[in-house]
Amino acid sequence: SYVLTQPPSMSVAPGQTARITCGGNNIGSKSVHWYQQRPGQAPVLVVYDDSDRPSGIPERFSGSNSGNTATLTISRVEAGDEADYYCQVWDTSSDPSYVFGIGTKVTVV
Amino acid sequence: QVQLMQSGAEVKKPGASVKVSCKTSGYTFTGYYIHWVRQAPGQGLEWMGRVNANSGGTKYAQKFQGRVTMTRDRSTTTAYIELSGLRSEDTAVYYCARVPIVVGTPRDYGMDVWGQGTTVTVSS
Repeated sequence: SYVLTQPPSMSVAPGQTARITCGGNNIGSKSVHWYQQRPGQAPVLVVYDDSDRPSGIPERFSGSNSGNTATLTISRVEAGDEADYYCQVWDTSSDPSYVFGIGTKVTVV
Repeated sequence: QVQLMQSGAEVKKPGASVKVSCKTSGYTFTGYYIHWVRQAPGQGLEWMGRVNANSGGTKYAQKFQGRVTMTRDRSTTTAYIELSGLRSEDTAVYYCARVPIVVGTPRDYGMDVWGQGTTVTVSS
């Protein structure tokens, strides 16, 4: 199966920039999506197809994808950004076809 | 507005089956897949499979083949997941989420709307 690698956790100060990586074999050839999950809530799509934002998601959230690494960048981090963030891809040649990373817990300190 | 409303929490004994519903509204039901994703306590997200809300066609993760059935009812715009042979490891929150059906491209667009989740507890 296709494997996505994320750091388990990271800390960032308010106002700074958080960069969350998602590693995978030739991930640059796939569409990568990012989800934010606050405690006790359902996931929310914050970036889709590498770098597009759904309506209602602040411009502070951006994404990139090249080679073997995709990155979610959160600029001007706020306390409300504290959450788990998951990357996800669709790999037609893999089982399961839809793969999630293990998630990165972002703590705002 | 677009909503996916799931049925309530379930408590089941090992070996039993559970069926969870996902009632959709506010969009064209047949233009989307409904995916099912679960999350065990303190763990990450795990994809279980999807149903094409238009055709009814399904694709399941190999891990759940033989134990899971995903269906949909176009008349009520509701999707269902049934999981049989429950064991304690199936204790989790089960989510439904929609993904647009797009043909002619290898790209996809992510799970843009999710249900609120249904807690399934398997305990003797």
